[in-house]
Amino acid sequence: LAKTTQPISMDSYEGQEVNITCSHNNIATNDYITWYQQFPSQGPRFIIQGYKTKVTNEVASLFIPADRKSSTLSLPRVSLSDTAVYYCLVGASYNTDKLIFGTGTRLQVFP
Amino acid sequence: GAVVSQHPSRVICKSGTSVKIECRSLDFQATTMFWYRQFPKKSLMLMATSNEGSKATYEQGVEKDKFLINHASLTLSTLTVTSAHPEDSSFYICSARQGSLGEQFFGPGTRLTVL
Repeated sequence: LAKTTQPISMDSYEGQEVNITCSHNNIATNDYITWYQQFPSQGPRFIIQGYKTKVTNEVASLFIPADRKSSTLSLPRVSLSDTAVYYCLVGASYNTDKLIFGTGTRLQVFP
Repeated sequence: GAVVSQHPSRVICKSGTSVKIECRSLDFQATTMFWYRQFPKKSLMLMATSNEGSKATYEQGVEKDKFLINHASLTLSTLTVTSAHPEDSSFYICSARQGSLGEQFFGPGTRLTVL
């Protein structure tokens, strides 16, 4: 599975847009990019998944450039409740036998 | 989304005892379940993959005789930490997947503290 690199931490304020970038230089042709959110003492929660270009759901947007060597998770107008760790994972969509979590990005939202 | 539960949510035990953690898929049948361990402020580490009715596949470095995994039904997998030691204190998280194609749904985790 492709290794991912993310910033260890980010700070933001309520109402701002937050963009978390993940590098995955060795992404394979069949790999999808998936983001999970984890609150303290809870299991991870699926946020969004994409293969190329842009994907948007009710929670976030995912931007993937043409070379797919990186991706950016965009959280619009964050609130205090978005304070969490965000993990970027790369692997075959849904058929991934294993999920290998990287270090994740610890997002702290301030009032 | 599908719901996965874990029991207990917290457990404290004495060194040398064994602890069993249950992972249940509440509204779907999970042919595959995964067990992860997470130390404070660290990422999740996959411990093993279990398929219903067969032996679990352990990741490198995980002792299969210490971390016993049983996946006897399509809705239940158990992780037993045998002869627990303080260094086994961690947050244990399971996930479940329906079939070979499917999203993994995570449980809420179990906090194990070994005194």
